[in-house]
Parts: sequence; structure tokens; C-alpha cells
Amino acid sequence: EDQVTQSPEALRLQEGESSSLNCSYTVSGLRGLFWYRQDPGKGPEFLFTLYSAGEEKEKERLKATLTKKESFLHITAPKPEDSATYLCAAFEGGNNRLAFGKGNQVVVIP
Amino acid sequence: EAGVTQFPSHSVIEKGQTVTLRCDPISGHDNLYWYRRVMGKEIKFLLHFVKESKQDESGMPNNRFLAERTGGTYSTLKVQPAELEDSGVYFCASSHRQGPYEQYFGPGTRLTVT
Repeated sequence: EDQVTQSPEALRLQEGESSSLNCSYTVSGLRGLFWYRQDPGKGPEFLFTLYSAGEEKEKERLKATLTKKESFLHITAPKPEDSATYLCAAFEGGNNRLAFGKGNQVVVIP
Repeated sequence: EAGVTQFPSHSVIEKGQTVTLRCDPISGHDNLYWYRRVMGKEIKFLLHFVKESKQDESGMPNNRFLAERTGGTYSTLKVQPAELEDSGVYFCASSHRQGPYEQYFGPGTRLTVT
């Protein structure tokens, strides 16, 4: 059973076209919701951790938000260098580990 | 500060052979994790070390996989004998603290079993 589900799987955006990525989770006792960025051939690069519903964090053109059931990663006025796969991961209370979604593959076209 | 490093970056072996993957965590990070991504699937947890002790190895697929972390520094993950379904990308991550804190990932080792 999938604990973390990300949508859409793939997204093509025109440069400057803002959009949002969704991460829904079903883990019990969420202790943290993580967003990572992954470029081809590289390991995941840490972006944000959100700990409680209502929390928001920003970094450049990225903004992550968290509710009790899902998280969103908003990309504002994206640039081609924002093209990457964005991974969502939930840190569950009974297990000391990250449970990942399959990722959102984002391509930003100049 | 150097990041997490992994060796080799790629490995191609035949079914039945043995392969050993290495991970060097960020200096001072007691927590070391191994994950794996099989094609088409999400990244999945394999195990967690705190210093040299295995804290959680519940994600290890079977007894063909053996992880060690002698001296609490670098870690190795050995697959013996390798099977076709072991192909994938193996990631190592390290963290300064145990719990819901950022884990820093290495570039991964792509393992192909033919």
C-alpha cells in the first residue's frame, strides 16, 4: 500500500508558468514531511522539512506547504534550471526512516 | 565540507557474482542510511546504522544482502550472490541526528545484474 503518492507524475511548464505539485500521505503519526530535488544521475538534494499542518517554507521560487493529509510544492515563475524530479518523503512516527513517493518530473521549457 | 560519497558509481555484474558497494558519510554524522530505487518504483529504505550498530534493518530484501559499518565511519553493502531483481540505484544518506531531520544523500551506485 502506497504511503506517499505524488501527482502529477510528469509536468511540462513554459518558463514563467507557475504551478503546484501535490504529495498526499497516509502515514500515521507524521513527524516530518520532506521535499527533495533530484537531477538526472545525482542523489536527492534536500530542500525543505515541514513538521506541522499550516507550516510553510520558501526557497527562491519554491514554496512548500503542509496540511494534515497532503503537501504542496508551489513553483512560482519557473526557469529552465528548475527542471528536475521533485521527491516527497514522509517520516513516520513508529519507524525511523523516510517513505518516498515516486516523484514529480518537471520540465521547464524556455 | 565534503558530502556523502559512494563508490563505485556504476557496477555491472553477472547473476551469481558478488558486489560490494561503499558509502562514506559526512564526517561526524553518526546516522547512516541505505536506500534503493528499482526502476519504475519509489526509493525504498533498506537499513539504518547509528555509529556501528544496526538500528533498523527491516528493509533489507533478504539474506543475500549484508551491510556493515566497522568503526562507525564508512559503510559497505554486499550483495552475494546477486540476482537480476537486485538491479537498481543504491543510495546512501547520512544525518547528524536521529529522527525527522534532514538526511543528505550521496550520488548513488547504479547496479546492473545481467
